[in-house]
Amino acid sequence: DADVTQTPRNRITKTGKRIMLECSQTKGHDRMYWYRQDPGLGLRLIYYSFDVKDINKGEISDGYSVSRQAQAKFSLSLESAIPNQTALYFCATSDGGSTGELFFGEGSRLTVL
Amino acid sequence: GEDVEQSLFLSVREGDSSVINCTYTDSSSTYLYWYKQEPGAGLQLLTYIFSNMDMKQDQRLTVLLNKKDKHLSLRIADTQTGDSAIYFCAETSSYNTDKLIFGTGTRLQVFP
Repeated sequence: DADVTQTPRNRITKTGKRIMLECSQTKGHDRMYWYRQDPGLGLRLIYYSFDVKDINKGEISDGYSVSRQAQAKFSLSLESAIPNQTALYFCATSDGGSTGELFFGEGSRLTVL
Repeated sequence: GEDVEQSLFLSVREGDSSVINCTYTDSSSTYLYWYKQEPGAGLQLLTYIFSNMDMKQDQRLTVLLNKKDKHLSLRIADTQTGDSAIYFCAETSSYNTDKLIFGTGTRLQVFP
């Protein structure tokens, strides 16, 4: 089983709908992240959390919200989806160690029509 | 602001060397990284280099760091079809050392 699991892997929805992407991890890491990948733009940070009571905005947080339900769970919500939120979304974790390595899930592909 | 730039595509013949380049703007980064993304998968750390190093070699991979020019490169020797992937350069943010700034990614295509 994957250490970082994202659900759903693929989702097609309509403009205005509320969408939640979920992430769970078995690595025991405190730090969790949500990134968005767009062709030609690389990965951009949406939100990150260093523990259950800590939530921080990344560079593109507008239109998104997150919830850290437990150390192992970090969900991303789009309250009212719009077409330019069509992208590949990645959850990642880190133990905050000296190298700062991130461990990624396999991604959730979201299409907003 | 912080920015990491990469060329978008690279095509090489199997058996040749591949060189993927990256330029970054934040000279105070502690670590610089190369991540690999295979089709349909998430990113995985390939290698990293500490900022006080000029070179790091790991089997077929060689990382070169030119701090003066803020240039990072990844050389893959004897490139194989399994090396076909997107390669991302990343640096730690000086504003928040717990954040990584990723480049745009370079899609490496290896043909026989």
